[in-house]
Amino acid sequence: AQKVTQAQTEISVVEKEDVTLDCVYETRDTTYYLFWYKQPPSGELVFLIRRNSFDEQNEISGRYSWNFQKSTSSFNFTITASQVVDSAVYFCALSGSDTGTASKLTFGTGTRLQVTL
Amino acid sequence: DAGITQSPRYKITETGRQVTLMCHQTWSHSYMFWYRQDLGHGLRLIYYSAAADITDKGEVPDGYVVSRSKTENFPLTLESATRSQTSVYFCASSESTPGWTEAFFGQGTRLTVV
Repeated sequence: AQKVTQAQTEISVVEKEDVTLDCVYETRDTTYYLFWYKQPPSGELVFLIRRNSFDEQNEISGRYSWNFQKSTSSFNFTITASQVVDSAVYFCALSGSDTGTASKLTFGTGTRLQVTL
Repeated sequence: DAGITQSPRYKITETGRQVTLMCHQTWSHSYMFWYRQDLGHGLRLIYYSAAADITDKGEVPDGYVVSRSKTENFPLTLESATRSQTSVYFCASSESTPGWTEAFFGQGTRLTVV
């Protein structure tokens, strides 16, 4: 079975602070895919990143960066110099490659990020 | 408009009534999904479909029925609505399995069962 754990339910930071959102996953598949989605107050789900299990290179996109560590089964997301517009619920998700896991996205429970002035 | 659309956006229904949530995508994506979002649970998969006429259960399928006679439509029916089915429902589609291609989500349907 696949599982995604986001232990941080809610995080509050002041604008310009850096913040890291944790994601720990469990899977038996040797090949798998990890995702982050953003859900702003308007409610839609916005795709941020997809990473496959055989590419452990960290990725940076503007103020966003992702740290994938297979050894600890983690795929953490860092926002540098946070802004009020970053306030949202962030979901980590996992998809496998085997029968039964390849067709599904398993989501974590989400982390609500509140950025204040 | 291109994309994935859900209707209605908001629905209030009574316990025991049948209600159908609609989902339509214009990309001809093979895969379609229904998720429900509840506080403390994140998004949980209800049903998914790999192609027209092929559907399969997800994590929480009880009380729901789906069909997919056409590639672009994937309606979700609550046969006899219960208060525990009050939730926000998201439809999604992807060209291939979620690992290979991005899944696109609709705007969501907020369903209240009274």
